[in-house]
Formats: sequence, structure tokens, C-alpha cells
Amino acid sequence: EAEVAQSPRYKITEKSQAVAFWCDPISGHATLYWYRQILGQGPELLVQFQDESVVDDSQLPKDRFSAERLKGVDSTLKIQPAELGDSAMYLCASSSGQGLQKTQYFGPGTRLLVL
Amino acid sequence: TQLLEQSPQFLSIQEGENLTVYCNSSSVFSSLQWYRQEPGEGPVLLVTVVTGGEVKKLKRLTFQFGDARKDSSLHITAAQPGDTGLYLCAGDDGNTGKLIFGQGTTLQVKP
Repeated sequence: EAEVAQSPRYKITEKSQAVAFWCDPISGHATLYWYRQILGQGPELLVQFQDESVVDDSQLPKDRFSAERLKGVDSTLKIQPAELGDSAMYLCASSSGQGLQKTQYFGPGTRLLVL
Repeated sequence: TQLLEQSPQFLSIQEGENLTVYCNSSSVFSSLQWYRQEPGEGPVLLVTVVTGGEVKKLKRLTFQFGDARKDSSLHITAAQPGDTGLYLCAGDDGNTGKLIFGQGTTLQVKP
């Protein structure tokens, strides 16, 4: 069964350092999402891509966060500089974007700890 | 702004008990999805409900979508320790493909 891949699974960094997360969506899925999830809470959307274009980045803290999906396939989310409050789970999801196929499938996430 | 409110936020029960988790909104959604998430993992889709009044069953789990498509419930019969996890509901507004998530219900089933 096709899955969304994310790496790394865990990342520990010091504040003010740069971090990057990678996501490879399910093959053929045009829509890709990055979420941030605080422990025990629901995910919050950071950015949504349709192919290589950003559809929604209204909740992305653009002073320190950036996201790209250059070829419309895999994607990278970067934080520079990292702050203590960025400690969270970063989830990537993808969907084919059509009808019920808007269903989003999530990867295993990257757990970030900023010290 | 569309919001989904889940209740209860936390639930700790004994194995064999029944439970219901609620997901409520003042907004209409074209579909609603339920996910289960284990610690350190991503959410895994359990079910998608689309039609008002729809009821779907997945073994001991029963999902219902409200007639007005504003609310949903998840009922678990005879809970087992393996049901432990974070249960999330998420609504699709039908336009942007964006999901609005509830804050989640943390379920602990004790053996």
C-alpha cells in the first residue's frame, strides 16, 4: 500500500539553528499539506500545495518558515532560525484532490525538539 | 471561521466499556473524516462520512454524520486496550480541500 514518507523521524536542535524536513507524497497525489501538531492536540495547517504552487500559506510564520515543492512531487519545510516554541510534530499529508479522493493520507511525522 | 469542537477531550475507561466521542460545529461540511493517531505516529484514516444521517460501522466502531452535516459521533463498543490513542475528527469545507481539525479526544483503555 502506498504511503507518505517523511524524514527524519526525529530531530533535536538548538534554538537559532536551521532545520529541514522532507516529505514524499503518495505517487500521483497533486495536493500536499504540511501541518504542525502540538502534543495531544489536532494538527494545524501550515501550507498547502497544488502541484508546485502554494494554495494556502496563511498560517505559515513566513519570517522563519519556508516551504517548497519545486517539481510538484516531494517537498521540503525549513525553519530558520528555530525557536523553543517550534517544538512539535510536523506532519505531511497528501491527497489526489478529487471528490472523496480529497481524503488526506498522513505520513508518520517528524518530531522536533528545540533546546 | 469554521471550528470543530470535540468532546470529551480526555477519556479513561476500563476494558469492555462503551464510549462515545462527539464532534460539533456550527458550520456545514461536505464530508467529515475520523482519524486515530498513536503516540509518535501520524493520523490514520478510519472513515469518511459524506451524506447527512449516514452511519458507518467498522468492527466495534460506529460513526454517524448528523442530518445537517454539522456534527458527527464515534461510538466504540466494548473498548479494548488496543483502542487507546488520539481520535481526531476533521471537516472538509468542499471547496479548498482544506481540513478543519478538532482538538482531539485522548482515549485510554485500561486492561
